[in-house]
Amino acid sequence: NAGVMQNPRHLVRRRGQEARLRCSPMKGHSHVYWYRQLPEEGLKFMVYLQKENIIDESGMPKERFSAEFPKEGPSILRIQQVVRGDSAAYFCASSPYGQSADTQYFGPGTRLTVL
Amino acid sequence: AQTVTQSQPEMSVQEAETVTLSCTYDTSENNYYLFWYKQPPSRQMILVIRQEAYKQQNATENRFSVNFQKAAKSFSLKISDSQLGDTAMYFCAFMKARGSNYKLTFGKGTLLTVNP
Repeated sequence: NAGVMQNPRHLVRRRGQEARLRCSPMKGHSHVYWYRQLPEEGLKFMVYLQKENIIDESGMPKERFSAEFPKEGPSILRIQQVVRGDSAAYFCASSPYGQSADTQYFGPGTRLTVL
Repeated sequence: AQTVTQSQPEMSVQEAETVTLSCTYDTSENNYYLFWYKQPPSRQMILVIRQEAYKQQNATENRFSVNFQKAAKSFSLKISDSQLGDTAMYFCAFMKARGSNYKLTFGKGTLLTVNP
């Protein structure tokens, strides 16, 4: 029973390039959450998605960031025109029902470095 | 808005001894969930223990237990018989229990080192 999968584990981009981070939830989970961890900080909520729907993107920066969770395939967090301040670890979590009674299970994270 | 405070940036303990990590939180909610997550050097976030605020009994998972003081808004983690593999960052987290509230709010973490 595979856990939450994220790839790539490490991603290096130059300023101005695009970064695409992928997350496959646990089997049977249809709710995905993205969090960002800046150096020396705890994780901060970015966005919550169900299949084909963005439920809450209140934690997403207004520009350059977008997320999707298509009917088929992984959830994608996309960062356009990356800047050095985007360097962080990005974690995806999933849960079965999207309720607060759920436990969110985390993937191993993608460490993005912007040169 | 909820806040979670971990006042101990770093702690250390000798192998086989007991250590307690502190966490306080601020909320106006009456029902909520509290969590401790562990982040070892691999950076994977691993759930250690979970507490429902409406339950008075403190949660326990093997060597890990919590001291939940709702009135004081305190949620400390006790690790008994510490092992080298317990070395990690430990994050305390809060989640509302209303409807489909799903955002975890994390503290800044406590780096625990278990020494041989």
